[in-house]
Amino acid sequence: QLQLQESGPGLVKPSETLSLTCTVSGVSISSSSYYWGWIRQPPGKGLEWIGSIFYSGSTYYNPSLKSRVTISVDTSKNQFSLKLHSVTAADTAVYYCARLYGISWSLDSWGQGTLVTVSS
Amino acid sequence: QSALTQPASVSGSPGQSVTISCTGTSSDVGGYNYVSWYQHHPGKAPKLIIYDVSNRPSGVSDRFSGSRSGNTASLTISGLQAEDEADYYCTSYTSTSALVVFGGGTKLTVL
Repeated sequence: QLQLQESGPGLVKPSETLSLTCTVSGVSISSSSYYWGWIRQPPGKGLEWIGSIFYSGSTYYNPSLKSRVTISVDTSKNQFSLKLHSVTAADTAVYYCARLYGISWSLDSWGQGTLVTVSS
Repeated sequence: QSALTQPASVSGSPGQSVTISCTGTSSDVGGYNYVSWYQHHPGKAPKLIIYDVSNRPSGVSDRFSGSRSGNTASLTISGLQAEDEADYYCTSYTSTSALVVFGGGTKLTVL
């Protein structure tokens, strides 16, 4: 059964880099039918698309975050990762990883989410 | 990249039907049959309930249905139940480099 699990520090200082990893179990991250994405939800606000990656390493970012985001994949570990640079308090959010089905472009499986707080 | 437009909130009584709209452009909602809807209960992972405009994943109640007209997609929930109270989000494939665009979300209150 497919499972996605986010991991990483829950507290990041302003101006530093937020780093999260999503471990995928139950299916190979190298499947040609799927992309792997990151979504976030700031407190009291809606879901926001951050971006996604294909197993080959091709990346697709939300233009509003593109200058600060790096998404990478490690097929040997069945993991993909998010780096968000130069964070501010506005980047405080619950961060979700999810599987994006490349036929219907729907997010058909999600992690439980992890809260990251940006504070000194 | 502008988010898709959804009403901030809708409400209905048990047994009634409600419809949530999701308005985009010809570069996303109106241009492709790739609109999806998600149900999100606070503290839980969002759940896919509609894909490809009107298809339901296995296990999703047939009380949920989707449609589209032009650049606006709609989610209809019939026979409202207390457990339907949640936030609902639409997404669409987009021809921009982002691949996916989200709606701002709609809070459904069951009165």
